[in-house]
Amino acid sequence: KNQVEQSPQSLIILEGKNCTLQCNYTVSPFSNLRWYKQDTGRGPVSLTIMTFSENTKSNGRYTATLDADTKQSSLHITASQLSDSASYICVVSQSNAGKSTFGDGTTLTVKP
Amino acid sequence: NAGVTQTPKFQVLKTGQSMTLQCAQDMNHNSMYWYRQDPGMGLRLIYYSASEGTTDKGEVPNGYNVSRLNKREFSLRLESAAPSQTSVYFCASREPGQGGDTQYFGPGTRLTVL
Repeated sequence: KNQVEQSPQSLIILEGKNCTLQCNYTVSPFSNLRWYKQDTGRGPVSLTIMTFSENTKSNGRYTATLDADTKQSSLHITASQLSDSASYICVVSQSNAGKSTFGDGTTLTVKP
Repeated sequence: NAGVTQTPKFQVLKTGQSMTLQCAQDMNHNSMYWYRQDPGMGLRLIYYSASEGTTDKGEVPNGYNVSRLNKREFSLRLESAAPSQTSVYFCASREPGQGGDTQYFGPGTRLTVL
């Protein structure tokens, strides 16, 4: 069964600190992995997308890594800001069209 | 561009009532999706439309019907609402092969069934 598991379920950090969110998946055949940010009361917005051949991709203070061998990804947030408070969702897509598996998300709270 | 728009933003129904959630996108995307998101859970696919004129069931289709009215619009209908359908509903669109197949989401419809 295709699954995406994220950890931790929730995380509280102080403003300015770094944090790392984890995503493990069993989706096959693998096409790509995306991280979305979902602010409270809003729809998810794409942060990064990684294909099989990519192992690191950055988007400002967000850096995603992918280890296709161990089927693990991480999202590292540097110098956190209050606006980083959101749910972060890992989504893995299969090679056949239109099939994506969503993780349950990690809820990040950044406190001043 | 407005992206993906959804109406209504909020809705309260009584058990057994029917309603249609509307979704429209102005990005000329071929594929559109309906998801539900329950508290503490990930998004679950209800139905999707790979292209105009086609619709397919997702993970949790029971109790729902969809219509791909044209390339822009994809509606979700609840024929007889049940309390278990209380959730936040998101519509999304995607253009296969573009932008890494990224899905663009609407703001959501918050539905409560009493």
